[in-house]
Amino acid sequence: EAQVTQNPRYLITVTGKKLTVTCSQNMNHEYMSWYRQDPGLGLRQIYYSMNVEVTDKGDVPEGYKVSRKEKRNFPLILESPSPNQTSLYFCASKGPAGTGPYSNQPQHFGDGTRLSIL
Amino acid sequence: DQQVKQNSPSLSVQEGRISILNCDYTNSMFDYFLWYKKYPAEGPTFLISISSIKDKNEDGRFTVFLNKSAKHLSLHIVPSQPGDSAVYFCAASAYGNDMRFGAGTRLTVKP
Repeated sequence: EAQVTQNPRYLITVTGKKLTVTCSQNMNHEYMSWYRQDPGLGLRQIYYSMNVEVTDKGDVPEGYKVSRKEKRNFPLILESPSPNQTSLYFCASKGPAGTGPYSNQPQHFGDGTRLSIL
Repeated sequence: DQQVKQNSPSLSVQEGRISILNCDYTNSMFDYFLWYKKYPAEGPTFLISISSIKDKNEDGRFTVFLNKSAKHLSLHIVPSQPGDSAVYFCAASAYGNDMRFGAGTRLTVKP
């Protein structure tokens, strides 16, 4: 079954304690991304990766790191978490957009990770 | 700066009636639009899409309409069913690049 798997699903931790949220996809997708969902703000992109060893900042990258050493994995790292990073996080992947405009591929999302930072 | 806006946080309709969810965008470079559906404790799942060279796309009970001059798209669900109750996100992208999402609209379909 094609899927994006995130772990953990829920985590309560304290300010400053480094944490990693893992993300793995089994669809051989080159593109992967991380989003956070906050009330009234929808899904905002944190980081994305077009391929192995290629990562770029999204709209809200501050306080986060990512790495893409293998095609299937794209972990999200919070080196020193703070309460304003309490949120619902989603990892996603998608296939190639195809050539030219007027096209794209839908992203496949994981089931989310709810982080609470006290 | 939200380039994709869903101005209605919630919508309630009766089972069997039409649900219309609206979305506005500001970036005229967007050329591909999608709707996602999200149930609690799950990730968003793709519902339907439309490219900017079309003005309508249908898939069963779901139809997306695009009005490029107004920078507006809408999702019609006919007939609405209780299982359609979820949060719906509108998303847009340009030249196959990253998608921008709206804030979502919570649809409640009452039996």
